[in-house]
Amino acid sequence: NAGVTQTPKFRVLKTGQSMTLLCAQDMNHEYMYWYRQDPGMGLRLIHYSVGEGTTAKGEVPDGYNVSRLKKQNFLLGLESAAPSQTSVYFCASSRGGSYGYTFGSGTRLTVV
Amino acid sequence: AQSVTQPDIHITVSEGASLELRCNYSYGATPYLFWYVQSPGQGLQLLLKYFSGDTLVQGIKGFEAEFKRSQSSFNLRKPSVHWSDAAEYFCAVIDFGNEKLTFGTGTRLTIIP
Repeated sequence: NAGVTQTPKFRVLKTGQSMTLLCAQDMNHEYMYWYRQDPGMGLRLIHYSVGEGTTAKGEVPDGYNVSRLKKQNFLLGLESAAPSQTSVYFCASSRGGSYGYTFGSGTRLTVV
Repeated sequence: AQSVTQPDIHITVSEGASLELRCNYSYGATPYLFWYVQSPGQGLQLLLKYFSGDTLVQGIKGFEAEFKRSQSSFNLRKPSVHWSDAAEYFCAVIDFGNEKLTFGTGTRLTIIP
């Protein structure tokens, strides 16, 4: 099925641990995004990419890094997890903003 | 910078009743606006979008939205809600300078029998 796939779906980390969230899309979309969703705050953009090999900071980039080595994949890394990074993370892709985004089903991350 | 405001955090309606969810935007030019729905534990699904032309746009699942420039609003409506419409709804505006969507904080919809 075409779409956006996020792995893992759930993860618990200890403070200071690192991890990488993987987002893969099979729609040949140029644009990819990572958002975090927290209660009462909607979705906030962490980082985004306008094409293979490019990345840019969003609204809340601190504590995260990203890479887009292949067009279909967009990785989100946490080098040293903090409890404030407990959230639900969504990846999205688009062939242009006017077409709307296709979202993955999310990764629920808990940092203890 | 562009922004959207959803003034209602939580709305409860009876099944079969009509629904209107409010969205106000702030944008310098003609905005491109979206409504998304998020069912519990799921990602977001696009309901409808407005770019230009007819100010009343139709979406999936029987939803529609009306763009009113004079009121800077893009309210979502449905004539008769179903229990399956219980979800969180997000309004969003696109920034074409960088193809980024900015989301409102969402409105949670509860349906009672």
